[in-house]
Amino acid sequence: AQSVSQHNHHVILSEAASLELGCNYSYGGTVNLFWYVQYPGQHLQLLLKYFSGDPLVKGIKGFEAEFIKSKFSFNLRKPSVQWSDTAEYFCAFDRGSTLGRLYFGRGTQLTVWP
Amino acid sequence: GAGVSQSPSNKVTEKGKDVELRCDPISGHTALYWYRQRLGQGLEFLIYFQGNSAPDKSGLPSDRFSAERTGESVSTLTIQRTQQEDSAVYLCASKKVPTSTDTQYFGPGTRLTVL
Repeated sequence: AQSVSQHNHHVILSEAASLELGCNYSYGGTVNLFWYVQYPGQHLQLLLKYFSGDPLVKGIKGFEAEFIKSKFSFNLRKPSVQWSDTAEYFCAFDRGSTLGRLYFGRGTQLTVWP
Repeated sequence: GAGVSQSPSNKVTEKGKDVELRCDPISGHTALYWYRQRLGQGLEFLIYFQGNSAPDKSGLPSDRFSAERTGESVSTLTIQRTQQEDSAVYLCASKKVPTSTDTQYFGPGTRLTVL
């Protein structure tokens, strides 16, 4: 069955620290990959996405993610986090099919201390 | 509209009652999705609409759950005889075209609490 594994449930960092959130998916076919973010009190919004081409994708607010097909991974990175990055982060994929339903991980809560 | 809207934002009901949740997608978006998020869990797919047909209902957890969509507009998710395990945030998302490289845009969700 298709699934997404996010390795960290809760990450706590100080401002300016580097961030890497792990994400692995299980599906053998073509995928589109996403990171969504939910800031406190706000709804889920897209951070970045990968459909094809350069496996290193850049998103909003200085985030980037790298698709490593051989590892079925799509880890999220940011070189220097800010207090405003405090949020819950969700990794997701779809199967690139016409249906487009998303498979989500359980989310990682990131807390950044000023 | 500016974004996906959902109503009510919060719903508290008693076990055994029926509830109806509403989703208004972004104007012009043909695809509509319902998900739910139980506490501490990721988003769980429920159903997908393309126009007013539902080619994928595989995520509906039981026959107490049903959904409808009027054309390419509003959708309602109905839960009959609610149970405590139905407590969750119910999220709706819409997408312009299901086969495109467009993305799903999410609404704010309806928090359902079944007492």
